[in-house]
Amino acid sequence: SQQGEEDPQALSIQEGENATMNCSYKTSINNLQWYRQNSGRGLVHLILIRSNEREKHSGRLRVTLDTSKKSSSLLITASRAADTASYFCAPDYNQGGKLIFGQGTELSVKP
Amino acid sequence: GAGVSQSPSNKVTEKGKDVELRCDPISGHTALYWYRQSLGQGLEFLIYFQGNSAPDKSGLPSDRFSAERTGGSVSTLTIQRTQQEDSAVYLCASSLRGGVAKNIQYFGAGTRLSVL
Repeated sequence: SQQGEEDPQALSIQEGENATMNCSYKTSINNLQWYRQNSGRGLVHLILIRSNEREKHSGRLRVTLDTSKKSSSLLITASRAADTASYFCAPDYNQGGKLIFGQGTELSVKP
Repeated sequence: GAGVSQSPSNKVTEKGKDVELRCDPISGHTALYWYRQSLGQGLEFLIYFQGNSAPDKSGLPSDRFSAERTGGSVSTLTIQRTQQEDSAVYLCASSLRGGVAKNIQYFGAGTRLSVL
């Protein structure tokens, strides 16, 4: 399977702490995207990092990409209870636009 | 509409019945995707439409599943002779291919299908 593999499967932290989620993928990519899903809702795009980029920031989000290790990480700084959700990585293997989503990391931020 | 719209939001059916799920993508988006998400699981790719190209059906789990996209806009996912294992949330997404959009997908809220 070419799906991204997120690690850990579940993460529980206190409000204010940082949360780090990792993603590993299989072959060369065009870009890698991270999405968030609140319970019972559709996914929302968070951030995209291109294959020639190593780090990208968006607000409290920081994404890194290591193409030599075929891995990416998503860091959420100063987490809030509202960050509680599932987070998915989706490598774009340049298969005509199709993304392959992983199983996700379930993040719980306790107030 | 402003976002991807899916209907119905919930569908309860009896085993063996056929169901149709509808997706109305964001206006102007040329690509449309269907995914299935079982309880507590990740997304399973089902089918992908891009413009006038032949759809990528590589994710459809069986020949009971089919989808069409009429006029390059609205899509219908049909499940024939439903089975209990078809129970899941069916998510639709659309995207604007190419350029800076780079295949960012916009999701609907999903249809929760329950097969009794």
